[in-house]
Amino acid sequence: DAGVIQSPRHEVTEMGQEVTLRCKPISGHNSLFWYRQTMMRGLELLIYFNNNVPIDDSGMPEDRFSAKMPNASFSTLKIQPSEPRDSAVYFCASTPMGNTEAFFGQGTRLTVV
Amino acid sequence: SQKIEQNSEALNIQEGKTATLTCNYTNYSPAYLQWYRQDPGRGPVFLLLIRENEKEKRKERLKVTFDTTLKQSLFHITASQPADSATYLCASPVSGGYNKLIFGAGTRLAVHP
Repeated sequence: DAGVIQSPRHEVTEMGQEVTLRCKPISGHNSLFWYRQTMMRGLELLIYFNNNVPIDDSGMPEDRFSAKMPNASFSTLKIQPSEPRDSAVYFCASTPMGNTEAFFGQGTRLTVV
Repeated sequence: SQKIEQNSEALNIQEGKTATLTCNYTNYSPAYLQWYRQDPGRGPVFLLLIRENEKEKRKERLKVTFDTTLKQSLFHITASQPADSATYLCASPVSGGYNKLIFGAGTRLAVHP
């Protein structure tokens, strides 16, 4: 398996623009997580899904952030409109059923200017 | 609130020595703790899991302990090598979410030849 695949790897956008980050979890994994990592705040959990259903989105910072998982093999994290303070590395991770080991993607480095 | 903390100061040690990293948690009792390794520009990679009823777990040169009285986990790398240089993250599930992981800020380890 290729592991968790995120795209794009790098994104530079202007303030106010919409940004969509994409994630393909490992096949057969039933839980998917979106994290954000910054120097100041470390790795923060934004939202997670079990069997494509959002379970906890309490970490989503504002209404500007939204996440979807239309099927078991794809998830998106959208920021609209983006702001400079959203600049961070966004990670997607997945775990198989009955296992708590999280497999992370390579991350998307987002820069909002 | 439930918190998990790691020493944010970088740890510098000489090759061949044992590195010891600390993870402390407050205001909850996690069922398990996990340790991850993160290299620059990469996502975290799972290393070890230790459950609350386990005192110690080993994997090759790695050893993890879990002290529920001190609310602390220690992560040891014996016979350290320059290739062990990375950031090490501690993670645990929060109450109400068996696989909802929160992470410490990580400790950067530098092993010098």
